[in-house]
Amino acid sequence: EVQLVETGGSLVQPGKSLKLTCATSGFTFSNAWMHWVRQSPEKQLEWVAQIKAKSNNYATYYAESVKGRFTISRDDSKSSVYLQMNSLKEEDTAIYYCTPGPFAYWGQGTLVTVSS
Amino acid sequence: DNVLPQSPTTMAASPGEKVTITCHASSSGIYMNWHQQKSGTSPKLWIYDTSKLASGVPDRFSGSGSGTSYSLTINTMETEDAATYYCQQCCSTPYTFGAGTKLELK
Repeated sequence: EVQLVETGGSLVQPGKSLKLTCATSGFTFSNAWMHWVRQSPEKQLEWVAQIKAKSNNYATYYAESVKGRFTISRDDSKSSVYLQMNSLKEEDTAIYYCTPGPFAYWGQGTLVTVSS
Repeated sequence: DNVLPQSPTTMAASPGEKVTITCHASSSGIYMNWHQQKSGTSPKLWIYDTSKLASGVPDRFSGSGSGTSYSLTINTMETEDAATYYCQQCCSTPYTFGAGTKLELK
């Protein structure tokens, strides 16, 4: 059974940093292209970032809205993917989900609230 | 460019009624995914590669489309189909989502 467990979400002030973790099991993580997707309080889904597998040189891609502020990374030995979020803005407030491509499985998400 | 247009935004259907939701891609030559989300739960992949049903999805659902116009159809609405449906451009960045269609039971 595929499991995805996102952690690390919290209330944080604008301008601060936060790191999210997604621990996975039940599939061959090392071969998977992993994504972070977020859902705003208005329920809009937004793709955030992707990291490809080692065979693709761990290539990374970002939505324009987070480019330069967020960094996606992975640890294949721990079957985990991470999202380092810097210079957070109020509009980054959302539930953050990790999902392996092609988006067939979703975790329960972790809530990030950016507010002063 | 951040959100794919979907229509309608909301709709209500009676059991047995046919339902069609449309989505417009920002470019042609793509595949479309559809995700179903019920209140308080995570999204679920429902249709992938434009027309393939995800595991466990009833065959009253179908997906179609080409170019920049795509659709999700429910042949006969059932109570359990009430949910929000999101389209999503697949297979290359950015994996843009639609604005969502909230389907309610009439």
